[in-house]
Amino acid sequence: EVVLLESGGGLVQPGGSLRLSCAASGFTFSNFAMTWVRQAPGKGLEWVSPISASGMSTYYADSVKGRFTVSRDNSNNMLYLQMNSLRAEDTAVYYCARGGEYGSGSYQYYFDYWGPGTLVTVSS
Amino acid sequence: QSALTQPASVSGSPGQSITISCTGTSSDVGRYNLVSWYQQRPGIVPKLMIYEDTKRPSGVSNRFSASKSANTASLTISGLQAEDEADYYCCSYAGLSTYVFGTGTKVTVL
Repeated sequence: EVVLLESGGGLVQPGGSLRLSCAASGFTFSNFAMTWVRQAPGKGLEWVSPISASGMSTYYADSVKGRFTVSRDNSNNMLYLQMNSLRAEDTAVYYCARGGEYGSGSYQYYFDYWGPGTLVTVSS
Repeated sequence: QSALTQPASVSGSPGQSITISCTGTSSDVGRYNLVSWYQQRPGIVPKLMIYEDTKRPSGVSNRFSASKSANTASLTISGLQAEDEADYYCCSYAGLSTYVFGTGTKVTVL
């Protein structure tokens, strides 16, 4: 069974930093791209950042470019999102999802499994 | 990158069919056969319902179907059931490993 579990969310002041983690199990993590998607309270889904299976390719939404960094540790089946210079508008539930970039031999242009999410609140 | 446009809400009675539209541009929906649809019930993780415009993952009811014409994709739910009440989001690949989600549609079963 595929399981994704995010952690690391919490309350942070504007301008602060936070590192989110996503622990993956139930599949060969190193064969799949992963993506961060967020959802502000009462709002819709917003694509944030994918990373290829190897970790060599990363991309970012314009709203987070230059402030967020996605990375992964394939030896420990972990996905990360380093968030710096946080703003109030970054307040959201952050989901990790499988897919969205190049995996083992092919691109997966959809997100087939999602974690329950972790809430990030940026407020003074 | 602007969000894809979906109706805010769609409703129907049990057993009826409803269709949710998702309008993008020639740079996303109209350019790639890579629209996916997600169901999000209250407090539940988003669930993949359709991928690559029309394909249904194993385990998803065949009451869910999808189509696309030019810059507009559509999700149809046939034989509407109470359990179908949820928010639905479309998502399109937009090139250079970027994606854009739709604004979301709340489906109400009357």
